[in-house]
Amino acid sequence: VQLVQSGAEVRKPGASVKLSCKASEYTFSAYFVHWVRQAPGQGLEWMGWINPKSGATNYTQMFEGRVTLTTDTSINTAYMELSSLTFDDTAVYFCTRDRVWGGVVTSFDFDFWGQGSLVIVSS
Amino acid sequence: DIQLTQSPSSLSASVGDRVTITCRASQPISRFLNWYQQHPGKAPKLLIYVTSNLQSGVPSRFSGSGSGTDFTLTISNLQPEDFATYYCQQTYNSPPTTFGQGTRLE
Repeated sequence: VQLVQSGAEVRKPGASVKLSCKASEYTFSAYFVHWVRQAPGQGLEWMGWINPKSGATNYTQMFEGRVTLTTDTSINTAYMELSSLTFDDTAVYFCTRDRVWGGVVTSFDFDFWGQGSLVIVSS
Repeated sequence: DIQLTQSPSSLSASVGDRVTITCRASQPISRFLNWYQQHPGKAPKLLIYVTSNLQSGVPSRFSGSGSGTDFTLTISNLQPEDFATYYCQQTYNSPPTTFGQGTRLE
């Protein structure tokens, strides 16, 4: 199983960023994909999930309205778009796979992770 | 949201030691508690899920226990590669899932 994320991005406050996460060596539609971020020197913060099979999504309240998760199942890729960026959004963003097979429910157990994408918000 | 408090925040140990990290939840979470290991500049790695289930490929020197609000991660016979930061995560009241603040093992 591999999750390969897009590279580092630099954005100005108020802009948007869209990150990608390409999955391989497993059935992409059978596992939920989650996004977790980590600010410099800080802990882990869950952002939301997407079910590649149905396209259903769920976002934590903190990001509701600013984050959009999508997938392109034809190329086994998940995307995370975050808008209205502020300096506090400077972080490494990880995509991660749910441990449970089936694409029906998510366990929130994250068994495989991408390498992370650094987003820097700077004026 | 459920808050998780890890103790200690940092811990000094030596190769061969046995160490224990504690995670306390702000309300009962049954056994829905996971542990991750993270090395600097790397993604977290799932070690244990649902309190005591060892993730595939994780050495048996890692073990977890607990229920309700109090949980522990124990590492026996510390190896050089075990020096990292450890996070607990609750999945009981999810979404949202939440993480502890981390314990740095050095």
